[in-house]
Amino acid sequence: DAEITQSPRHKITETGRQVTLACHQTWNHNNMFWYRQDLGHGLRLIHYSYGVQDTNKGEVSDGYSVSRSNTEDLPLTLESAASSQTSVYFCASKRDSGPGELFFGEGSRLTVL
Amino acid sequence: ELKVEQNPLFLSMQEGKNYTIYCNYSTTSDRLYWYRQDPGKSLESLFVLLSNGAVKQEGRLMASLDTKARLSTLHITAAVHDLSATYFCAVDVILTGGGNKLTFGTGTQLKVEL
Repeated sequence: DAEITQSPRHKITETGRQVTLACHQTWNHNNMFWYRQDLGHGLRLIHYSYGVQDTNKGEVSDGYSVSRSNTEDLPLTLESAASSQTSVYFCASKRDSGPGELFFGEGSRLTVL
Repeated sequence: ELKVEQNPLFLSMQEGKNYTIYCNYSTTSDRLYWYRQDPGKSLESLFVLLSNGAVKQEGRLMASLDTKARLSTLHITAAVHDLSATYFCAVDVILTGGGNKLTFGTGTQLKVEL
């Protein structure tokens, strides 16, 4: 079955380190998204991409970057991790046509000490 | 800026009771989605509502959309413990530069007591 996978599922890092969270989907969706989930805030959009070489900032993009070199992957990089970036990160994708619902990965829990 | 507000944020109810979760949003949209999230898990799509007056039902859950009132409801009938989870609504908004994105509400944490 096609799916969307994230890695690592759990990571602890130190302030100032660079961290990359991987997201891989096998549905061949062009549209991919990164959200962070925090108590009291629901899910907030970090970055999104509508296809290879396309990336766009979401509402909470400061301190994060993404790149899209192929259809399957959208890695999320924290250039210099901060304690405020401790969160659960979800990658999602959606079909190019149709209802527009998102399909989510299992999440990556990141702790920045 | 689009605001999506859910209420209540927390809901504790007894098995067998009925209740409604409300999702209000602040901009024009005719696409709304409901998701369920179990603790420590991913989000699972429940309902896709694509037009004014849309109503979808699955088991004890029924969702509806009123685009004129900018309101969606998720109604729970005769709740059972297995429905305990956090429920999110998400509004689809067309971006000025093209494309669209989902904006999520803060979620409603539902606990159904045995």
